Amino acid sequence: GQNIDQPTEMTATEGAIVQINCTYQTSGFNGLFWYQQHAGEAPTFLSYNVLDGLEEKGRFSSFLSRSKGYSYLLLKELQMKDSASYLCAVVDSNYQLIWGAGTKLIIKP
Amino acid sequence: DAGITQSPRHKVTETGTPVTLRCHQTENHRYMYWYRQDPGHGLRLIHYSYGVKDTDKGEVSDGYSVSRSKTEDFLLTLESATSSQTSVYFCAISPVNRDSAAEAFFGQGTRLTVV
Repeated sequence: GQNIDQPTEMTATEGAIVQINCTYQTSGFNGLFWYQQHAGEAPTFLSYNVLDGLEEKGRFSSFLSRSKGYSYLLLKELQMKDSASYLCAVVDSNYQLIWGAGTKLIIKP
Repeated sequence: DAGITQSPRHKVTETGTPVTLRCHQTENHRYMYWYRQDPGHGLRLIHYSYGVKDTDKGEVSDGYSVSRSKTEDFLLTLESATSSQTSVYFCAISPVNRDSAAEAFFGQGTRLTVV
């Protein structure tokens, strides 16, 4: 079967750094997406990785290791507005998105 | 922002009644998706469409049907609503084709309650 694992919930402090991990086992791999979803809102795109390594975009970075079936999303200089759920999704061999259950990130002052 | 709208945004319906949710896009994207989102489960694919009148089932398609008679509209019908179909429903669109992956853009969601 196909499986994507993320921690259910994480807590961090404003101004700090947090790393949200995602491990996956899927039938094929054609890329990995990270989405942000604020409570009661739609998911919005954050990043896409298809090759190994780190992709940096402002305060957010995403890392991929295909051999390990592993990705992480790194958030720096945390702000209160970063309180949200972060969804990991893998594109399988049929170019379908397989979604993790999401990680709820709580930012404390 | 991608032009994608869902209607209605909220609906309460009774068990056993049919319900239709609408997704409308102005981006001319080929692929359209219906997901449901429940606590602890993440997004689960119900049905998707890869063109007018071309649809396929997702992982949780039982009790749901879809239709796409125009590029811009994708309808999701609950043939006879049950309490287990109480959920938040998201429509998404994507320009993805068979040889590439592309980000999906989501509508604002429909909160459906079946009583």
